[in-house]
Amino acid sequence: QVQLVQSGAEVKKPGASVKVSCKASGYTFTSFFMHWVRQAPGQGLEWMGIINPSGGSTNYAQKFQGRVTMARDTSTRTLYMELSSLTSEDTAVYYCARATYGSGGYYPPNFDYWGQGTLVTVSS
Amino acid sequence: QSVLTQPPSASGTPGQRVAISCSGSSSNIGSDYVYWYQHLPGTAPKLLMHRNNQRPSGVPDRFSGSKSGTSASLAISGLRSEDEADYYCAAWDAGLSGVVFGGGTKLTVL
Repeated sequence: QVQLVQSGAEVKKPGASVKVSCKASGYTFTSFFMHWVRQAPGQGLEWMGIINPSGGSTNYAQKFQGRVTMARDTSTRTLYMELSSLTSEDTAVYYCARATYGSGGYYPPNFDYWGQGTLVTVSS
Repeated sequence: QSVLTQPPSASGTPGQRVAISCSGSSSNIGSDYVYWYQHLPGTAPKLLMHRNNQRPSGVPDRFSGSKSGTSASLAISGLRSEDEADYYCAAWDAGLSGVVFGGGTKLTVL
């Protein structure tokens, strides 16, 4: 069965970086795009970007351009999302979410499987 | 400020029908499909509706979706206590070249 298992909770200081992992199993790793979505306390869902595990190409939300890096390791079937220059506003639960479809710059939010979420707390 | 606009709250009694609206623009809902998610605290969001009105396997037919122009709606009939959750609409925005979400609607079953 499809599983997306994320790394554990992190506590970081302002200005630091955090790297969250998402290990995929139960399906052909390179056949599905992976999105990253976050939810700050008391807030709604916010899209961060997408990575194509096949070639590693990425598409980031404008808000996070220059501060986020998404990568993958096909040998371990693991996706990574690194966010730098953290502030308290980055305190949130971060999710990886598998998309059933995407092509040529069009990545609709058809997320059929999600990771369990990783809480990132930014505090001095 | 979310790109898609949802009412912050909705409520109903068991057995009732409730509808949650989602308003967007020509660059998102007006030109592409709408997706709906159910989110219970402490769990991952769950896909409830894709391509406006298609239910994934396992989603009860009490849930239905519709779209007209730049707005969409999720309806829940025969409301049950376990439907109490946050509901989000989402769409691809061609202008932003990204996914946009609504701010979420907290559904309370009275």
